[in-house]
Amino acid sequence: DAKTTQPPSMDCAEGRAANLPCNHSTISGNEYVYWYRQIHSQGPQYIIHGLKNNETNEMASLIITEDRKSSTLILPHATLRDTAVYYCIVRVDVVTGTASKLTFGTGTRLQVTL
Amino acid sequence: DAGVTQSPTHLIKTRGQQVTLRCSPKSGHDTVSWYQQALGQGPQFIFQYYEEEERQRGNFPDRFSGHQFPNYSSELNVNALLLGDSALYLCASSFLQRNSPLHFGNGTRLTVT
Repeated sequence: DAKTTQPPSMDCAEGRAANLPCNHSTISGNEYVYWYRQIHSQGPQYIIHGLKNNETNEMASLIITEDRKSSTLILPHATLRDTAVYYCIVRVDVVTGTASKLTFGTGTRLQVTL
Repeated sequence: DAGVTQSPTHLIKTRGQQVTLRCSPKSGHDTVSWYQQALGQGPQFIFQYYEEEERQRGNFPDRFSGHQFPNYSSELNVNALLLGDSALYLCASSFLQRNSPLHFGNGTRLTVT
């Protein structure tokens, strides 16, 4: 699986947009970009995923560059409850007979402040 | 609709002992994966079960074994516990179909003394 690079930490003021970058310069054509977050003492929570088109759901937006070598997760109006470690993961498309695993890095610790 | 549930939430064991952790997948999911998360690190893949068989395995010794039952629930067993096995053990469930996102439980915190 392709490796990802994320800044170790970021701060964001409550109510502002949080833009979390991720580099995945060695991504292959059959690999998706996934984002998870982990709030202290909880399991990782799925946020969003995409292949090459931008994606949006009720939690966030995912912007993937045209060359697919980087992406940005956008939380449009961050709240204190969004304080967490955010993981950007490149996940290979399905292998026959299995569901492909997730390879986590160390993520970005996002601190949302008043 | 219950999500992924794990038991127990916390556990303390002594070196050399054996432990069994349990997981019930999200309703409708047929695939269960286990991950180990050491303090300050991201989760590491242990193995995946589907149709009661181990389908993939990460870089973990044979002391780590698992089982999946006909109702899709799963157990993780660790034998001959070492101090280094102290970690948060996470269970995740999904559909086998392509790109089905994994849904995680809140884990079992294992402490080996």
